[in-house]
Amino acid sequence: ETGVTQTPRHLVMGMTNKKSLKCEQHLGHNAMYWYKQSAKKPLELMFVYSLEERVENNSVPSRFSPECPNSSHLFLHLHTLQPEDSALYLCASSQDSTGVYGYTFGSGTRLTVV
Amino acid sequence: QKEVEQNSGPLSVPEGAIASLNCTYSDRVSQSFFWYRQYSGKSPELIMSIYSNGDKEDGRFTAQLNKASQYVSLLIRDSQPSDSATYLCAVNSGNTPLVFGKGTRLSVIA
Repeated sequence: ETGVTQTPRHLVMGMTNKKSLKCEQHLGHNAMYWYKQSAKKPLELMFVYSLEERVENNSVPSRFSPECPNSSHLFLHLHTLQPEDSALYLCASSQDSTGVYGYTFGSGTRLTVV
Repeated sequence: QKEVEQNSGPLSVPEGAIASLNCTYSDRVSQSFFWYRQYSGKSPELIMSIYSNGDKEDGRFTAQLNKASQYVSLLIRDSQPSDSATYLCAVNSGNTPLVFGKGTRLSVIA
């Protein structure tokens, strides 16, 4: 495996379900990110982790809970979501949290909340 | 607040023409500049990065940076229908996450 891998690629969940999105990077990067991209809207930064520590949380509702057990893995735990949370969720990584060399994105998880 | 502005488009160009995509940014101390291509339903893919004033060429792509005027552009020569996508400009300003523009949708007409 190379690059940034996200699973699952597609997820349909009910509003009372609990699910988790997984991201794994094989690039030796030290920073990882969660972004949300809704239809016809720009990228929204959700969470930033640098060396497994959360460094930024952009006022994301508590129904989204991130976890970074090590510098290669990032999870986004989902519970009691709303239909407006349906979006493409993108994971990204970078060499460090400055992003001076840019980010590498995973393929994304297309989430539909019903 | 740091901002990155792009014309949302769509920008339509005929096949074989030069497509010119523009981006302006607000933070004067910005250091690194990136262009990402995003096909519909897919994730963004880094296609160009530029760090100093002037032009940087990579195949059919040329990035141009003018820090004094705070703009960065992407030229695509000999545009192909496969270039049809949304192009995102992203700017780095030190110890903060990249700031992304809303993207410009490019349509190359065969």
